[in-house]
Amino acid sequence: KNQVEQSPQSLIILEGKNCTLQCNYTVSPFSNLRWYKQDTGRGPVSLTIMTFSENTKSNGRYTATLDADTKQSSLHITASQLSDSASYICVVSSSGGSYIPTFGRGTSLIVHP
Amino acid sequence: NAGVTQTPKFQVLKTGQSMTLQCAQDMNHNSMYWYRQDPGMGLRLIYYSASEGTTDKGEVPNGYNVSRLNKREFSLRLESAAPSQTSVYFCASRGDRALNQPQHFGDGTRLSIL
Repeated sequence: KNQVEQSPQSLIILEGKNCTLQCNYTVSPFSNLRWYKQDTGRGPVSLTIMTFSENTKSNGRYTATLDADTKQSSLHITASQLSDSASYICVVSSSGGSYIPTFGRGTSLIVHP
Repeated sequence: NAGVTQTPKFQVLKTGQSMTLQCAQDMNHNSMYWYRQDPGMGLRLIYYSASEGTTDKGEVPNGYNVSRLNKREFSLRLESAAPSQTSVYFCASRGDRALNQPQHFGDGTRLSIL
């Protein structure tokens, strides 16, 4: 069964600090992995996409990594801002016939001033 | 460019009442999805439509029906609402899967069943 596990479940940090969120998956065959940001009261929005051949990708202060061998990904946030407070969801898509991506349960990040 | 639009944004129902949640996208996407999001559970797929004219069950389809009215619109119907269906419902659409295009989400419908 395809699964995506995220850790930690929640995280509280001070503004300006860095943090790293983790994602482990068992989706096969693998196509791509996305990180979504979901602000309170809004729908998720895609931050980055990682394909099999990519190890690192940055989007501003967000840097995603992918280790396809160990089936792990991380999302590193640098110099956090209050606006980074959100839920971050890891989503993995298969290259098989399914149209259904597999969602993790998300990490809730709170940035305090 | 509206993206994915969901209506209504909020709704309160009594047990046993019926209602339809509406979703429309203006991005000419083939695939559309309905999810529910509950605290601690993440997003769970209710139904999806890979293309106009087709619908398939997801992880939690019981108690729901869907209609892919045309390429733009995908509605979710609760025939006899139950308190367990209290949740936030998200509609999403996706472009070409072969091009690794992302899902685009609406801002949700917050539904309470009393």
